[in-house]
Amino acid sequence: GAVVSQHPSWVICKSGTSVKIECRSLDFQATTMFWYRQFPKQSLMLMATSNEGSKATYEQGVEKDKFLINHASLTLSTLTVTSAHPEDSSFYICSAREESARSFPFYEQYFGPGTRLTVT
Amino acid sequence: TQLLEQSPQFLSIQEGENLTVYCNSSSVFSSLQWYRQEPGEGPVLLVTVVTGGEVKKLKRLTFQFGDARKDSSLHITAAQPGDTGLYLCAGASTQGGSEKLVFGKGTKLTVNP
Repeated sequence: GAVVSQHPSWVICKSGTSVKIECRSLDFQATTMFWYRQFPKQSLMLMATSNEGSKATYEQGVEKDKFLINHASLTLSTLTVTSAHPEDSSFYICSAREESARSFPFYEQYFGPGTRLTVT
Repeated sequence: TQLLEQSPQFLSIQEGENLTVYCNSSSVFSSLQWYRQEPGEGPVLLVTVVTGGEVKKLKRLTFQFGDARKDSSLHITAAQPGDTGLYLCAGASTQGGSEKLVFGKGTKLTVNP
């Protein structure tokens, strides 16, 4: 159980275009999902917290108009990188928190396999 | 800003050796999680420790949470090449009404056969 998928696993796009990344919790419902960014040989940096049915909460320094997050259902959150530039190239990872009786009281985060974005 | 200092950053050992990875902070966390990440993949949860002084074992891996819930350690006994990977500690804390994970920078472990 507690499987999270991401699509696509990798994407190459041209500078100025937009890219959408999907994050799905496959066998549980996730009121809260998180989006992280990881540069080579570095740790995960939280970008934003995605809440189902409400606006995402962005970390300081993350442009909300550039990184659009939509959490339309309890199993799907999307991250859209708008007007992508080469500096946006990175490994984007989502996680989903299982908030259920099964996981109470430790709502652990389960991570997706990541999406490698390369902007040329 | 809460920070987690993880050490060592890199560790290269021979098969069969023991090792310990440390995760330290000046902040108190409600829980602390250890993950292992392979290149090009997402982190995989190994364990969650919650109670100060708690010790959890997962086969050859032993995890300990400090009494004050500010630090943690991961000890691997008789390391094997399959243990190679990036080990990340992450502390859970509540900020602004929502719980978030703060990650350490990771320890890249290489176990040579």
